[in-house]
Amino acid sequence: GENVEQHPSTLSVQEGDSAVIKCTYSDSASNYFPWYKQELGKRPQLIIDIRSNVGEKKDQRIAVTLNKTAKHFSLHITETQPEDSAVYFCADTVQGAQKLVFGQGTRLTINP
Amino acid sequence: GAVVSQHPSWVICKSGTSVKIECRSLDFQATTMFWYRQFPKQSLMLMATSNEGSKATYEQGVEKDKFLINHASLTLSTLTVTSAHPEDSSFYICSARDWLAGEGEQYFGPGTRLTVT
Repeated sequence: GENVEQHPSTLSVQEGDSAVIKCTYSDSASNYFPWYKQELGKRPQLIIDIRSNVGEKKDQRIAVTLNKTAKHFSLHITETQPEDSAVYFCADTVQGAQKLVFGQGTRLTINP
Repeated sequence: GAVVSQHPSWVICKSGTSVKIECRSLDFQATTMFWYRQFPKQSLMLMATSNEGSKATYEQGVEKDKFLINHASLTLSTLTVTSAHPEDSSFYICSARDWLAGEGEQYFGPGTRLTVT
């Protein structure tokens, strides 16, 4: 079945610096790639997503890039702030399938 | 828009009893809902896919007789943990797809923390 590998598992950056989290997927038919942010004890919140017909998408300080040839996609957060500290999950879904397959998660800590 | 609620937010029960968790889509119709389990510091593990009016599809290794799922309407799915044991203690989260939205988009409920004593 589909597998999503996420790295790194933990990431610590200085406030104001950029953070990058990378995910690799296995099924070339995957066509939807969301990123979720989860704060402790709370629900995952969709922060950005990208579909397979697009190579990059940006929303203010957050961007996602997709490389279909290499089968990986990345989350980029610029000008990081303390409130960006959370666990981030990538996921993908295969066309026609209903379910999301999640990566293992990255615990991001922004140091003031 | 796209709000999903879950009830209860937390529950403590004794070993051997059953617990029902409700998941509701408040402002959209959800033909498909999903149930996840999340252990501390781990990722979300899909338990089952719930389709309105039909039987749920369970992931490999998930006991369908232990985790009963009912999706009776386009806005409500329930998960019943039967004969709960301490190892069933976890954070249970549902999500729902808005059938009008693009393929893949899911919105999560706030989760239910189950503690079995």
